Amino acid sequence: QLELQESGPGLVKPSETLSLTCTVSGGSISSNYYWGWIRQSPGKGLEWIGTMYYSGSADYNPSLKSRVTIHVDTSKNQFSLKLSSVTAVDTAVYFCARQRWITAYSGRVEYYFDNWGQGTLVIVSS
Amino acid sequence: QSVLTQPPSVSAAPGQKVTISCSGSSSNIGNNYVSWYQHLPGTAPKLLIYDNNERPSGIPDRFSGSKSGTSATLGITGLQTGDEADYYCGTWDSSLRLGVFGGGTKLTVL
Repeated sequence: QLELQESGPGLVKPSETLSLTCTVSGGSISSNYYWGWIRQSPGKGLEWIGTMYYSGSADYNPSLKSRVTIHVDTSKNQFSLKLSSVTAVDTAVYFCARQRWITAYSGRVEYYFDNWGQGTLVIVSS
Repeated sequence: QSVLTQPPSVSAAPGQKVTISCSGSSSNIGNNYVSWYQHLPGTAPKLLIYDNNERPSGIPDRFSGSKSGTSATLGITGLQTGDEADYYCGTWDSSLRLGVFGGGTKLTVL
């Protein structure tokens, strides 16, 4: 059974870089899936941060693109998130997830997250 | 403000049926597949429906999904107290080039 577990500091100072790691167990990160990060700010809904394929191709939320990097480490079966220049608005629960992302011949996009970690709370505060 | 619009809350009695709506536009729901998630705070969100109406293995047929035009609906029959959770719809927005979610609907089983 596939399991994902987020890890990283729970407190980050403003202007610094938030760094999280997602460890995948029960399956290979080099399989035919994408790997994504999603966050949920207090009292708000889900926000997609970005997604990476194990080969290295990535796509990011345009509103965060200038500050986000996602990296996959196939040797450790992990992928990571770095979000730079954080402010209080980046305080959220951060989830990692396995993702299906396929553009059908019709042009319609299959886009969903089929396995999630339980999330980790990151607070941005001095 | 979320790109997809859901009602903030719905409620129904045990054993009854409830539906949760998700409204979008032609650039997201209208032309792409919709998924639905169940989330109990503090736990991992769970995929309930993908590709508009498909259930992953292990998801009971009490949960169903449908789509019409630029709106999608999640249906839950035979409500149980264990169904109390937040429910989110999601899809890809081809114009914004962005994965989008609804704001979430809190289900209360009275």
